[in-house]
Amino acid sequence: EADIYQTPRYLVIGTGKKITLECSQTMGHDKMYWYQQDPGMELHLIHYSYGVNSTEKGDLSSESTVSRIRTEHFPLTLESARPSHTSQYLCASSEGQGFAEAFFGQGTRLTVV
Amino acid sequence: AQSVTQPDIHITVSEGASLELRCNYSYGATPYLFWYVQSPGQGLQLLLKYFSGDTLVQGIKGFEAEFKRSQSSFNLRKPSVHWSDAAEYFCAVGARTGGYNKLIFGAGTRLAVHP
Repeated sequence: EADIYQTPRYLVIGTGKKITLECSQTMGHDKMYWYQQDPGMELHLIHYSYGVNSTEKGDLSSESTVSRIRTEHFPLTLESARPSHTSQYLCASSEGQGFAEAFFGQGTRLTVV
Repeated sequence: AQSVTQPDIHITVSEGASLELRCNYSYGATPYLFWYVQSPGQGLQLLLKYFSGDTLVQGIKGFEAEFKRSQSSFNLRKPSVHWSDAAEYFCAVGARTGGYNKLIFGAGTRLAVHP
């Protein structure tokens, strides 16, 4: 069982609200990622971090922002949620160089009404 | 551009039957290839990976996959499917672009298992 946790698992929120999706890992991994997954679609990388104070945008443009103040914590924030943000958000982490195994959290299913 | 294609969106098999899930990739260099499984309400779990060496790789839960460079394929197989294998399966290729490593995922294949 991977030691990476996401909260909340499910979130229904109104348009315009600010939300933060939490992701924490206890494996000491330097690399962390956020993916967006729509039903029947590929996972798309929206943010990644290679260590503390390092964050970069991924392939898919996203209005969300991330921070990496501590190695184990990689929260994702939406300042003003919109229905177009409705999706599943998956957090992952990996260690070392190259393409080490990525461990995924259980995901947060976000619905913006 | 790098991409992963999983031609089958849904597959249904009977319990005990054999299984093959198809995956084709497009990547210029030697690929790093992965298969992940996602059970309902869960995150993704790595089944197996190919980096180099023997083109037939063994994974967890009785799965194996074969890398065929000539066909740009990395198909996942299991000789006898169990009801607990019902899940969504994602093939991915590791790519390096813009100075960072990333996984490019296919759209997934949803597997249903009939008793």
